[in-house]
Amino acid sequence: GQQVMQIPQYQHVQEGEDFTTYCNSSTTLSNIQWYKQRPGGHPVFLIQLVKSGEVKKQKRLTFQFGEAKKNSSLHITATQTTDVGTYFCAGRNFGNEKLTFGTGTRLTIIP
Amino acid sequence: ETGVTQTPRHLVMGMTNKKSLKCEQHLGHNAMYWYKQSAKKPLELMFVYSLEERVENNSVPSRFSPECPNSSHLFLHLHTLQPEDSALYLCASSQGQATYEQYFGPGTRLTVT
Repeated sequence: GQQVMQIPQYQHVQEGEDFTTYCNSSTTLSNIQWYKQRPGGHPVFLIQLVKSGEVKKQKRLTFQFGEAKKNSSLHITATQTTDVGTYFCAGRNFGNEKLTFGTGTRLTIIP
Repeated sequence: ETGVTQTPRHLVMGMTNKKSLKCEQHLGHNAMYWYKQSAKKPLELMFVYSLEERVENNSVPSRFSPECPNSSHLFLHLHTLQPEDSALYLCASSQGQATYEQYFGPGTRLTVT
């Protein structure tokens, strides 16, 4: 079955440093979504990428979908304490509407 | 955010108990989901309902029994659970399945003693 892995599993950064999490699928994806879960909270949708090589930005967050549509990344520039949480990617295969969540990357910020 | 609500928020039950988790969405969505979140498997899809019909049953043990009486409500009936079933159970909804984002409820923190 489809597997979606994320690296790193944990990341500790100083406030102001950049952060990147990588998402890799064992199969080609039709689209990929990113979610953020704050400590003690629930996953909240951030963005969806559909096209090969697509890049989208939300303020300090940059999302990228790989050319082969098997990987994706989320980059945060100049992290802030509000960025703390676990970031999940979630991908869909072609012809299968099931959304498979990645293993997540937990980000902690050192003030 | 109150689009998807879940009750109870916390539940402690013995292995011989029967309990139910409730989820309600106020977003007019037609697909609803149950996920299990634990330290071992961050977000594990359990069941999917689309237009009140179960379309996905992800090899979940029969001690978990879902029910979707209408497009706004989703239940998870629990009986004879095991301690390893202790986890956060999240409900989510979406407008459709294929390309739409999912909106999650706050979850029910379940502890099986």
